[in-house]
This record gives sequence, C-alpha cells and structure tokens, in this order.
Amino acid sequence: LAKTTQPISMDSYEGQEVNITCSHNNIATNDYITWYQQFPSQGPRFIIQGYKTKVTNEVASLFIPADRKSSTLSLPRVSLSDTAVYYCLVGNTGGFKTIFGAGTRLFVKA
Amino acid sequence: DVKVTQSSRYLVKRTGEKVFLECVQDMDHENMFWYRQDPGLGLRLIYFSYDVKMKEKGDIPEGYSVSREKKERFSLILESASTNQTSMYLCASSLGGDGNQPQHFGDGTRLSIL
Repeated sequence: LAKTTQPISMDSYEGQEVNITCSHNNIATNDYITWYQQFPSQGPRFIIQGYKTKVTNEVASLFIPADRKSSTLSLPRVSLSDTAVYYCLVGNTGGFKTIFGAGTRLFVKA
Repeated sequence: DVKVTQSSRYLVKRTGEKVFLECVQDMDHENMFWYRQDPGLGLRLIYFSYDVKMKEKGDIPEGYSVSREKKERFSLILESASTNQTSMYLCASSLGGDGNQPQHFGDGTRLSIL
C-alpha cells in the first residue's frame, strides 16, 4: 500500500488560497489519489479524486505532476468553515485496505 | 446523494457486554467498511465487506466481528467490550470494483466502555 505524507497542520486567513501537498512516493500505476475533508464529530467527506495532471470541481482543484509522486489540493479563497482536517489517500487497486494518515489540520482565521 | 446512517451517535456500555453497532446505506453499494478513529492515530480499518456474507479483516480486527446479511446493512460486533475499545466508530460504503472508489461515511458512533 502506498503511504502518504502530509503536513500535520496549516494556518491561513479568510480569502486566501490554500495549497496542501501530499507525498506518495510508492504510488502504483493504477492508483488514484483521493482527498477527504473531516469536520469535528462528523465522518470524512469526499472532496476530489484524480489520476494525473489537474482535476477541478466546485470545491477544490487537485494538481498531480507527471511522476505522480506527490499531489496538491488547492482550496480557493478559504472561509472559516473550511477549518477541518484534510486527508490524502492513494487507492489500493489490489483490494480495499485504505490507509488514512493523520491528515492535515487546516485552521482558517478571520 | 448517498446516505450512510449509523444507528447511534453516542453509546455507553459496560466492560464485558456484547455491543452491536449498526450501519445502513441507501445507494446499493457493494462495499462497506468499519473504522475506528482515535486522537493522533487517524482512521484505522477494522473490517470491510465487498459483498453480502463476505468479509475481510482490516488492520485491527482483534476483539471485533462483523455481519452482513443484507447488502445495505453492515454490523460491527464487540464480542466482549473492553475499555480500550472506547473510540469513535465510523462506517463507510463505496461502489464495487477496485479500491479507488470514493468512500461515503456516516457521522460516527462515539462509544464509551466503562
């Protein structure tokens, strides 16, 4: 299973763009990269998934370089409600054992 | 929208009791999962199921069992609850296929074993 490494915490201010980078050096050829968001006392919520280059949805963008050994979740113009823990996962095509690391705790200040 | 419903938000049980945590999903997903989440340890997979009556151990199955008699329902059983099983328990479901399908989570059950 590909292990991921991401910063433990980040601080930002309202209105700024936030970029959270995740390293996954052992990603397999068929693995996708998936990001989740978790608020206190709730389950994680799927944000975005990608395989290569760039993916954008109404919530975020995901940038994946050609070697796929890292990825960057970009949150445009964050608000206080974006304060949460963000998890980067790499899919396991051989089965369903998913490793959630400790995630990145994002704190958005006014 | 996928809805994953866990039967209780908060539960208090005593050491040695048999505890049942129930999870139901409404999107006909093939895969269902049980995790526990503890401070500083992230989410850890206990068991998952990829079909009715099928189950596989995750990373920390000891002290737990599961049951999946119907596609929409996945139960986690603590055979004889112990204090070290006090935790937040999260259920998730996903479409069948490979392990890349996004998982949809319930809001969790905070279980306290006294």
